[in-house]
Amino acid sequence: GQSLEQPSEVTAVEGAIVQINCTYQTSGFYGLSWYQQHDGGAPTFLSYNALDGLEETGRFSSFLSRSDSYGYLLLQELQMKDSASYFCAVGVRGSTLGRLYFGRGTQLTVWP
Amino acid sequence: DGGITQSPKYLFRKEGQNVTLSCEQNLNHDAMYWYRQDPGQGLRLIYYSQIVNDFQKGDIAEGYSVSREKKESFPLTVTSAQKNPTAFYLCASRRGRDEKLFFGSGTQLSVL
Repeated sequence: GQSLEQPSEVTAVEGAIVQINCTYQTSGFYGLSWYQQHDGGAPTFLSYNALDGLEETGRFSSFLSRSDSYGYLLLQELQMKDSASYFCAVGVRGSTLGRLYFGRGTQLTVWP
Repeated sequence: DGGITQSPKYLFRKEGQNVTLSCEQNLNHDAMYWYRQDPGQGLRLIYYSQIVNDFQKGDIAEGYSVSREKKESFPLTVTSAQKNPTAFYLCASRRGRDEKLFFGSGTQLSVL
């Protein structure tokens, strides 16, 4: 089976930097994705890592270490609108594309 | 604007009743997915379809059924056999071999 672990809650203040970690145990791992979901809304894609290293997209960066089965999402210059749930998800080789296994999500609260 | 439309936003099911959740996309994507989200849980895959007239069970397909008669449409029926249907249901689609999933805004299903 597949399992993903991420913290249930993280809090930070505006302008700060926060890191949300994700560790996974899976057979046939081929990539780690991150999604953002505001309360009652649609998850939206943030980033994807298939290879080790850091991917940067504006204020958000995502990191992957395949040897450690670990990744993180880094959010910089936090804004109030970043308050949301963040999910890591893994794709598994041998399974169909888009068949992702999601973590339970991390609720980020940004305080003024 | 292209996107995925789910309807209704809220749905109530009576005991023994089947209900159908609508999902329509105008993104010209071949692959479509249904995920279920419970509070504090990650998303779990119910069914997916890679092409018209073909669909596959996901991890929690029992008590659900789908059809894919048109590329744009992938309705999900929650049958009376699903004993715990209260959840937030999310439809998604994917373009080609891109890793990114596009999600609809979801349907909250509750039992009366």
